[in-house]
Amino acid sequence: SQKIEQNSEALNIQEGKTATLTCNYTNYSPAYLQWYRQDPGRGPVFLLLIRENEKEKRKERLKVTFDTTLKQSLFHITASQPADSATYLCALPGAGSYQLTFGKGTKLSVIP
Amino acid sequence: DTEVTQTPKHLVMGMTNKKSLKCEQHMGHRAMYWYKQKAKKPPELMFVYSYEKLSINESVPSRFSPECPNSSLLNLHLHALQPEDSALYLCASSQDQSSSLNSGNTIYFGEGSWLTVV
Repeated sequence: SQKIEQNSEALNIQEGKTATLTCNYTNYSPAYLQWYRQDPGRGPVFLLLIRENEKEKRKERLKVTFDTTLKQSLFHITASQPADSATYLCALPGAGSYQLTFGKGTKLSVIP
Repeated sequence: DTEVTQTPKHLVMGMTNKKSLKCEQHMGHRAMYWYKQKAKKPPELMFVYSYEKLSINESVPSRFSPECPNSSLLNLHLHALQPEDSALYLCASSQDQSSSLNSGNTIYFGEGSWLTVV
């Protein structure tokens, strides 16, 4: 089965800096990879999807890259703000399956 | 605000009680999901309904019983739960289960129901 690793449980950065979160996976390469944001006590919210044939995807201050050779996705938040503080989850479909498996998440804290 | 609505937001129940969690979506989605999430853990899939039929049961104990009365509603019936079942229960929906392998199975989550079993 697919194993997903998000590089750190927690990441603290200064406001205005770029936050970079990592998602690594083992085994097969998925057709796509997704990133979700989850605030405490709330359900995850979809942010971005990137397909295996896409190197990079952007949405406002968010940027996602997908390197199928390294089996890695990077999630960047530029000009970070305290409101960006949340847990960020990466998610991938299973082999021959449409069901998403989530990584454990990285809790991002943006310090004013 | 999420378009997947879950009730109740909080539920405390005893181990002998019978209760239900409810979920509703009006996005025309044909796949609906129940996930369980413990503190500092990722959501874990429990059940998937596709076109109102149960398509996936991730070896969930029978004390959890899902029901899909129609394409907009999803229930989770709870009976004889254990304290370790206390968690955030998330309902979610997506366009459908099968067509999204290439397009991406974006899942829309509700706010969750916090369940405490005492």
